[in-house]
Amino acid sequence: AQTVTQSQPEMSVQEAETVTLSCTYDTSESDYYLFWYKQPPSRQMILVIRQEAYKQQNATENRFSVNFQKAAKSFSLKISDSQLGDAAMYFCAYTPWGGSQGNLIFGKGTKLSVKP
Amino acid sequence: KAGVTQTPRYLIKTRGQQVTLSCSPISGHRSVSWYQQTPGQGLQFLFEYFSETQRNKGNFPGRFSGRQFSNSRSEMNVSTLELGDSALYLCASSLATGGLNTGELFFGEGSRLTVL
Repeated sequence: AQTVTQSQPEMSVQEAETVTLSCTYDTSESDYYLFWYKQPPSRQMILVIRQEAYKQQNATENRFSVNFQKAAKSFSLKISDSQLGDAAMYFCAYTPWGGSQGNLIFGKGTKLSVKP
Repeated sequence: KAGVTQTPRYLIKTRGQQVTLSCSPISGHRSVSWYQQTPGQGLQFLFEYFSETQRNKGNFPGRFSGRQFSNSRSEMNVSTLELGDSALYLCASSLATGGLNTGELFFGEGSRLTVL
């Protein structure tokens, strides 16, 4: 079975500093997508960043970047220049390529706090 | 463009009752998925609907059901409520064009169900 593991239930970072959230996954598929979703206290979850497994280049979206290690099945999220608005639950998610559009497998999440 | 709308936002039921939750996807989105979110189990996939057809279902008992209407709006129903059904129920929509799974879901704010 495919699984996603986030080993850090909670993390804290100082404003303007950098923090890295960890995620590992298990799959026998060779083609898949990985995601980081953010769920602020208001609860509406939004996509932060997406990585296609066939792409060797790590995805980047402004202050957010990933370190994708396919062989190690690792997918960490780095947030640079942390801002107060980055405080939220962060979920790592997986879906196989060609699979059902709406069926993502989520990790249990990491609660990120940002200290002023 | 309006986002994903879920109603009601909060509701309280007693054991044995049933509940219906509603979800209006983003205009033009044809896929609607439902997730159950609890502190212990995290985000768990319930089911996905596309063009009024259920095309994927998670590992939940038959008490959980859903449907999708021709305008893509979706409802989910939980019958014979149990205490363990207390959760945040999230609806997500996606374009799902041509069957290509890009994995980007757009979430509503959720319906918080409390079962007493």
